[in-house]
Amino acid sequence: DGGITQSPKYLFRKEGQNVTLSCEQNLNHDAMYWYRQDPGQGLRLIYYSQIVNDFQKGDIAEGYSVSREKKESFPLTVTSAQKNPTAFYLCASSPERVLAKNIQYFGAGTRLSVL
Amino acid sequence: GENVEQHPSTLSVQEGDSAVIKCTYSDSASNYFPWYKQELGKRPQLIIDIRSNVGEKKDQRIAVTLNKTAKHFSLHITETQPEDSAVYFCAASNPNRGSTLGRLYFGRGTQLTVWP
Repeated sequence: DGGITQSPKYLFRKEGQNVTLSCEQNLNHDAMYWYRQDPGQGLRLIYYSQIVNDFQKGDIAEGYSVSREKKESFPLTVTSAQKNPTAFYLCASSPERVLAKNIQYFGAGTRLSVL
Repeated sequence: GENVEQHPSTLSVQEGDSAVIKCTYSDSASNYFPWYKQELGKRPQLIIDIRSNVGEKKDQRIAVTLNKTAKHFSLHITETQPEDSAVYFCAASNPNRGSTLGRLYFGRGTQLTVWP
């Protein structure tokens, strides 16, 4: 199951606080993704990055921010502007340059709760 | 953008029976359709995928079929076992399309329960 590491496994956020979720991959993948998973909602894309120093908003980017300063790292910050942050967050990566398929490999997830 | 609909949202079957999950997509340019399985408390994992130049693909007890004209694809699991119980997600993408290169559009998932 190695290759994509998310930390921490559980995270608690206080009112008005920003928190950062870590995602690191050692698969040499070009693309990385952040998803939010809520019961019955499937996997909703927050942000994705196809290459270092570049990223795109997904469907639910409001209240979140990301950076991609290194190929292996794609941290997600949940800001105080995200009013309902309680969810399971999944990071994924894919070998972007293999154009025939964009298979995504997922991390084990971070469960974020509000205190 | 692409919209993927998945049905049913829950499915219960007896062990040994078959299970079918169906998805439709809206963008006729989508050409890659993977299926992911997520067991309780675990990460989603790819179980099978199909490209638009193929109508059907099998891997042991699982198969996927694609109807490009109708823009729908289905996952078929035969001889179901309790360990098949999980949430299954379908997805669609066009790996060759511009700024959305690499993006997967997921369905909402199907909770499959296989009763012994």
